[in-house]
Amino acid sequence: GQQVMQIPQYQHVQEGEDFTTYCNSSTTLSNIQWYKQRPGGHPVFLIQLVKSGEVKKQKRLTFQFGEAKKNSSLHITATQTTDVGTYFCVNAGNNRKLIWGLGTSLAVNP
Amino acid sequence: GAGVSQSPRYKVAKRGQDVALRCDPISGHVSLFWYQQALGQGPEFLTYFQNEAQLDKSGLPSDRFFAERPEGSVSTLKIQRTQQEDSAVYLCASSLYTYEQYFGPGTRLTVT
Repeated sequence: GQQVMQIPQYQHVQEGEDFTTYCNSSTTLSNIQWYKQRPGGHPVFLIQLVKSGEVKKQKRLTFQFGEAKKNSSLHITATQTTDVGTYFCVNAGNNRKLIWGLGTSLAVNP
Repeated sequence: GAGVSQSPRYKVAKRGQDVALRCDPISGHVSLFWYQQALGQGPEFLTYFQNEAQLDKSGLPSDRFFAERPEGSVSTLKIQRTQQEDSAVYLCASSLYTYEQYFGPGTRLTVT
């Protein structure tokens, strides 16, 4: 798999504000997965995107896969303190090997 | 429900000691992965099993690291002659036939 670059690396928001993290790749991705890791916890699978231009929603979370399949984004509407953690976008190669970046660490001030 | 379990959760080893970390995947999951996660970093792939076959061990940092899954279920990651740079959280994940991976709580290894 190809490692994807993720920005920003850190983000502080006030509770209720929106939050977006972006992933970019120089090459076309076959898929993108998103994981969340709470402080001191383990990664938890959120979603997988496969199709060009795909948009999926989970409550306040919206995931997008770019038309060219080279970028993806995660948008959280009206953040809550429970959203605190590090969000990783991950590319899974054909061999199922996940290549992880640094993720985006989200802090939410109550 | 039974998720992925790992033991021990914490391990302190003196430099030079051997350690063995255990992973119990979700029952029926054919794929099992080991990752190493340093503080502030994303997980780094170590090795991958499909049933008992080790299909990819390209991420193992040295020949001091060895993993096995003899019966296609429980897996053990062994580190011989531990060094300080081995200090990290070791994560195990399993999956069925999809790319979705379910992670265990990890083993935090501290080498003193």
